[in-house]
Amino acid sequence: RKEVEQDPGPFNVPEGATVAFNCTYSNSASQSFFWYRQDCRKEPKLLMSVYSSGNEDGRFTAQLNRASQYISLLIRDSKLSDSATYLCVVTRGNMLTFGGGTRLMVKP
Amino acid sequence: NAGVMQNPRHLVRRRGQEARLRCSPMKGHSHVYWYRQLPEEGLKFMVYLQKENIIDESGMPKERFSAEFPKEGPSILRIQQVVRGDSAAYFCASSPGAVSSTDTQYFGPGTRLTVL
Repeated sequence: RKEVEQDPGPFNVPEGATVAFNCTYSNSASQSFFWYRQDCRKEPKLLMSVYSSGNEDGRFTAQLNRASQYISLLIRDSKLSDSATYLCVVTRGNMLTFGGGTRLMVKP
Repeated sequence: NAGVMQNPRHLVRRRGQEARLRCSPMKGHSHVYWYRQLPEEGLKFMVYLQKENIIDESGMPKERFSAEFPKEGPSILRIQQVVRGDSAAYFCASSPGAVSSTDTQYFGPGTRLTVL
């Protein structure tokens, strides 16, 4: 079993749609949690940290459930520019463990 | 403030040659990490270094791969006697200190290695 699991997608949605991604992690000792975004053939870029209390950044909302070892990302009012692969990341110490990514394609 | 820099961006080697990948962390960052991304796969941790020290190399293949972060100059990932299976994107990341919920790693643009 992979340490961080994500549905690979692709998720094909129209502009303006709301889309949700889920992620589960297996190591209960994981300490910090993030969503990164990776565009085709580019480096991963930090999208947002994830907190148990939930946090929002514009159209993006992230949630962490430590008891269920589950992380989510909600994107509202999808834009064409949101098309990318979204990577769920957990840390233990200074080591980042990446999920395989969920591919999102937003269509006009 | 320049981001993480990697060079070369693209590297082509023939089987059996050596590949050297360089990474300069962000200014003020003393922690460097190397990751490998095979085609159509996720990123896999390889090694974590601080200046002159390898902190964690649990993700490094046991043979042909080595990494260093000298007191002066960039971090180097070295692959000896490359094989076709080494073809991948190699990303370097840096952080100022320990990773926390508010301070994570920032990635360079990567080096795409192609082994012919």
